[in-house]
Amino acid sequence: ETGVTQTPRHLVMGMTNKKSLKCEQHLGHNAMYWYKQSAKKPLELMFVYSLEERVENNSVPSRFSPECPNSSHLFLHLHTLQPEDSALYLCASSQQGSYEQYFGPGTRLTVT
Amino acid sequence: AQKITQTQPGMFVQEKEAVTLDCTYDTSDPSYGLFWYKQPSSGEMIFLIYQGSYDQQNATEGRYSLNFQKARKSANLVISASQLGDSAMYFCAMRGDTGANSKLTFGKGITLSVRP
Repeated sequence: ETGVTQTPRHLVMGMTNKKSLKCEQHLGHNAMYWYKQSAKKPLELMFVYSLEERVENNSVPSRFSPECPNSSHLFLHLHTLQPEDSALYLCASSQQGSYEQYFGPGTRLTVT
Repeated sequence: AQKITQTQPGMFVQEKEAVTLDCTYDTSDPSYGLFWYKQPSSGEMIFLIYQGSYDQQNATEGRYSLNFQKARKSANLVISASQLGDSAMYFCAMRGDTGANSKLTFGKGITLSVRP
């Protein structure tokens, strides 16, 4: 596979569930990102990892917990979510110092 | 802080015609980059084109060109010879060089529909 992949593509979960979103990049990049895209709102940057260290956390609630075990993989662990957390969650990667980010297809999350 | 503004309502264009999608920006950084992304209904954000603030010429990538007017702080995307597959959401984004501005900031997007 090439590019940035995300699994699952669709996820429905209750507010008491725990689930994880997975992102994998096959581009040799060293920076990875989580974005949230809600309806009719601009993309919101959630987390940035550079060289496997978290360098940015944009005031994201603690019910979202990122993990970057290596430069190719990024996870977003979810627990006790709220219905307003329903959104498209996009992962992206880039080479540190490069402007260009490559995005995955996203996970469409619905919290019931 | 930096800001991207996309205010056009849904856009319609006839197949094979050209269309311009508007984008204005604001930043305090002397150096920055401007991007356009396409998001089809499948959800993936597809990078289209990049313009650096110090680039002398407007960027072009195949049927895409960026009409960069620095003094007016605008970075409009021009799609020539529209195709049905161009129907999608289009997002303008920018990234500066300093501090909080070094992350991508996106506009709200514009919906483009290409009519056969």
